[in-house]
This record gives sequence, structure tokens and C-alpha cells, in this order.
Amino acid sequence: RKEVEQDPGPFNVPEGATVAFNCTYSNSASQSFFWYRQDCRKEPKLLMSVYSSGNEDGRFTAQLNRASQYISLLIRDSKLSDSATYLCVVNNNYGQNFVFGPGTRLSVLP
Amino acid sequence: NAGVMQNPRHLVRRRGQEARLRCSPMKGHSHVYWYRQLPEEGLKFMVYLQKENIIDESGMPKERFSAEFPKEGPSILRIQQVVRGDSAAYFCASSPQPDTQYFGPGTRLTVL
Repeated sequence: RKEVEQDPGPFNVPEGATVAFNCTYSNSASQSFFWYRQDCRKEPKLLMSVYSSGNEDGRFTAQLNRASQYISLLIRDSKLSDSATYLCVVNNNYGQNFVFGPGTRLSVLP
Repeated sequence: NAGVMQNPRHLVRRRGQEARLRCSPMKGHSHVYWYRQLPEEGLKFMVYLQKENIIDESGMPKERFSAEFPKEGPSILRIQQVVRGDSAAYFCASSPQPDTQYFGPGTRLTVL
């Protein structure tokens, strides 16, 4: 089993739709969790950290379920500019081991 | 505060040559990470360095690849005797502490 798994997609959704991505991780000792977005041929950019209590930033909501070992990202009112690959990142060893998932591709259609 | 800088942005090498990739972390960041991304694949961790120390090189191939982060100057990822399979995007990230990472624009290496 891969350490961090994501559905590769693509998710094709119309503008204004709500879309959710899940990510599962295998190491129960994982310390911290992040969502990054990566545009085609660009570097990953931090979208948000994921806290145990869940957190929200505008149209984006991230949640962590330690018992089931998954994190989720919810995007409301999708914009064309949300089209990108969303990367789930898990930190296993106090910064020494960041593991990236393969990414989920999102296309928001007009 | 300038972001993470990487150069060159594009590098073309013939098989057997050496490739040197440079990364200047953000000001105040002492932790540097290198990743490799093959086309249509995810990022693979290669090495984690602090100033003058390699902390974790578990993702580095055993041969031909080396990395350093000297007291002065940028971090260097060095690939000796490149092969076609080394063609990829190489991303550097930095952080002020072992936490959130900020990525540079990457170096795209093409081996002919």
C-alpha cells in the first residue's frame, strides 16, 4: 500500500459546483498534514494546513480524520481558476519526511 | 522577501555530462528539501538538508547523485554522468523550521 493515496481524477465539474477530494495515509504516526495545489508545469503552492479540528479558508475547507487516517478538501462555488492538481502532503517525522500524494486533477468547466 | 530561487530554470545535458542545480532558500530559512517530479507523476522526496548537514537522504539514488548546503551560498544538487532517465523537474523547497515548505519554480532537466 502506498504511503499517501489519492484518486487521480480527473474531476470535471461545472463552475459553481462543490467538489470534495479525499486522501488516505498509511502511517498512523503522521504528524502534520497539508494541501498544496500545482498548476501545469509550475511549482506546488501551499493551499492550507490541515488541523485536527478542521479549518476553513474562504471557499476551501479541510478536515482530518485520524481514526480513519484520511484528510479531505472541500471546494465550494468552484471557479475556473481552481483548475489544477491538488496534492495531499503528510509529514511523518518532524519535518524529515514529507510524503506527497500523486495528486488529484480538477478541471472546472465554464 | 524574495521567494525560493532556483537556477537554471531549464538545463539541457548530453548523456554522461554533469548537471548542477542550485537553490537559494527564502531569507531566514535554514531547511532545504529537494524533490524530483517525472512527467505525469507526483513529487518524490530526495534529500533534506540544513546548513552544512545532510539530515535525510533516504530518497537519493545511491550513485551519481549528491547534495550539499554550504555555510555560504546556495544548496547544490549534483548529478554526475546523467542518463536519459534523469530527465525530470527538480524542485527545491525551504522552510524556517521543519514545517510548511515553500517551493521554488523548479529546474527542468533534459538529457539528450
